[in-house]
Amino acid sequence: GIQVEQSPPDLILQEGANSTLRCNFSDSVNNLQWFHQNPWGQLINLFYIPSGTKQNGRLSATTVATERYSLLYISSSQTTDSGVYFCAVNQAGTALIFGKGTTLSVSS
Amino acid sequence: DTEVTQTPKHLVMGMTNKKSLKCEQHMGHRAMYWYKQKAKKPPELMFVYSYEKLSINESVPSRFSPECPNSSLLNLHLHALQPEDSALYLCASSPGLGGYGYTFGSGTRLTVV
Repeated sequence: GIQVEQSPPDLILQEGANSTLRCNFSDSVNNLQWFHQNPWGQLINLFYIPSGTKQNGRLSATTVATERYSLLYISSSQTTDSGVYFCAVNQAGTALIFGKGTTLSVSS
Repeated sequence: DTEVTQTPKHLVMGMTNKKSLKCEQHMGHRAMYWYKQKAKKPPELMFVYSYEKLSINESVPSRFSPECPNSSLLNLHLHALQPEDSALYLCASSPGLGGYGYTFGSGTRLTVV
């Protein structure tokens, strides 16, 4: 099956810093989503982005489907950005498969 | 309505109990999913229903029994669980299997004692 690798596994930032999270996947995909899991376990969808670039406030994402990677950019980080960021992908007829996640800690 | 609702939010059960987890969506999605998440791990797929039929069972033990009574509801029946089954159980839905646009519920945190 398809493999999803995320890096880095852990990231520690000071408030106001910028960061880039990476997701590599081993085959072509129908769908790619970035999620933020808060400390209570809620998975919040950030982007549906199988290709191209999207922006939502301080967050943006780019997926280069031909090279099988996606990047999530967080600018001017805030303590509320802390949590685990997951990249997840699926192919035709299959369910969403998750990477191992990046744990982000933002301190004030 | 753009939500997936899961109940209960927390559940403590003994190894001889029978309990059920419930999931509901009113977005008209035709695919619904159960995922299991252990601490510090990513969610792992358990079951997939597509058009109310079981499409994928990821070799889950029979003590977990899914049910899809209609296109809006998904249940997970639990019986004779083990302490290692303690985890966060997440329900999700999407317009179709293999498509895009998954929405997750807030989960049921299950503890087996």
